[in-house]
Amino acid sequence: EVQLVESGGGLVQPGRSLKLSCAASGFTFSNYYMAWVRQAPKKGLEWVATISTSGSRTYYPDSVKGRFTISRDNAKSSLYLQMNSLKSEDTATYYCARQIAAPYWYFDFWGPGTMVTVSS
Amino acid sequence: DTVLTQSPALAVSPGERVSISCRASEGVNSYMHWYQQKPGQQPKLLIYKASNLASGVPARFSGSGSGTDFTLTIDPVEADDTATYFCQQSWNDPFTFGSGTKLEIK
Repeated sequence: EVQLVESGGGLVQPGRSLKLSCAASGFTFSNYYMAWVRQAPKKGLEWVATISTSGSRTYYPDSVKGRFTISRDNAKSSLYLQMNSLKSEDTATYYCARQIAAPYWYFDFWGPGTMVTVSS
Repeated sequence: DTVLTQSPALAVSPGERVSISCRASEGVNSYMHWYQQKPGQQPKLLIYKASNLASGVPARFSGSGSGTDFTLTIDPVEADDTATYFCQQSWNDPFTFGSGTKLEIK
């Protein structure tokens, strides 16, 4: 059974940093692209980052490019999201998701999420 | 960015057929996917590439469309289908999601 479990969320002040983690199990982690998707309170979903199987390629939307960094450790079946220069608008539940790569690029399994609150 | 427009809410009775629409601001070929999110839970994949049923999803769910207009159909609707349904496109960069349609079962 595919399982994704996020951790590392919490309350952080604007301008500070936070690193999220996602532990994967139930599948061969190194064979899949992985991603982070967030959801602001009572809002829709926003794609945040994608990483290739080896970690050599990463993709971001403009809203987080230069502030967020996605990475992975295939030996530990773990995914990470380093978030710097956090803003109030980054407040959201962050989901780790397995992503089916090109050409389809959809998210076939999601973790339960970890909440990040950016506030002074 | 490609904007995906969904109607905010629908209410139907069990046993009825419901169609949930998603309109893209520009063409996305058939690269549209649908997710179900129940209250307090993570999203779950229902349909990929417009009309392909994800593994384990009941055949009551189906998808159609191409270009800019897409539809998720549930027939017949069950009480357990109470959820918000999101569409997502992957043809244009960046990947974007619709704002969601909240389905209420009367």
